[in-house]
Amino acid sequence: AQTVTQSQPEMSVQEAETVTLSCTYDTSESDYYLFWYKQPPSRQMILVIRQEAYKQQNATENRFSVNFQKAAKSFSLKISDSQLGDAAMYFCAYSPDMRFGAGTRLTVKP
Amino acid sequence: DGGITQSPKYLFRKEGQNVTLSCEQNLNHDAMYWYRQDPGQGLRLIYYSQIVNDFQKGDIAEGYSVSREKKESFPLTVTSAQKNPTAFYLCASSTTGQRNQPQHFGDGTRLSIL
Repeated sequence: AQTVTQSQPEMSVQEAETVTLSCTYDTSESDYYLFWYKQPPSRQMILVIRQEAYKQQNATENRFSVNFQKAAKSFSLKISDSQLGDAAMYFCAYSPDMRFGAGTRLTVKP
Repeated sequence: DGGITQSPKYLFRKEGQNVTLSCEQNLNHDAMYWYRQDPGQGLRLIYYSQIVNDFQKGDIAEGYSVSREKKESFPLTVTSAQKNPTAFYLCASSTTGQRNQPQHFGDGTRLSIL
């Protein structure tokens, strides 16, 4: 079965600096999608970014970008110019099975 | 505004009691999902439905049941067979059940045992 691993339970970053959250996954499939979701204290999950396995180019959404290494089955999220509003739980997810990692709690220090 | 509405926000269950969590969406999405969230474990899929009158079990379906009689509604019943129901439950939907579709989530229901 496909598994998703987030090895960093907690991360901390200074405001305006850059932080990278790690995610690895295990699959034998070649066609799949990967997602990063953000869950702020309000508990509503929000899509941050998604990556198609067939695309070599890393996805980017404003201050958020990914480093997708298909051979290594790695899908890290980079947050640039961190803002206080970025503080949340971040979940990596694999589709089509919709498997989620355990999450990384990100703290942003002013 | 379009979105997903989960109710109630908090729910308490007595021993041996079945309870139903509501999930309604007005996004005209075909697919809907139920997840359970426990501390330190991320989200786990309970059931999903890609079309009205059809649904499939996820990884942890035992002790739960669902129905999909209307496109906009996907209620989850936590039965007395679920021995450890205390958790945060999230409902989600996507345009279709295709793997590239991101999911939109509700605000969740927290279920506790009395």
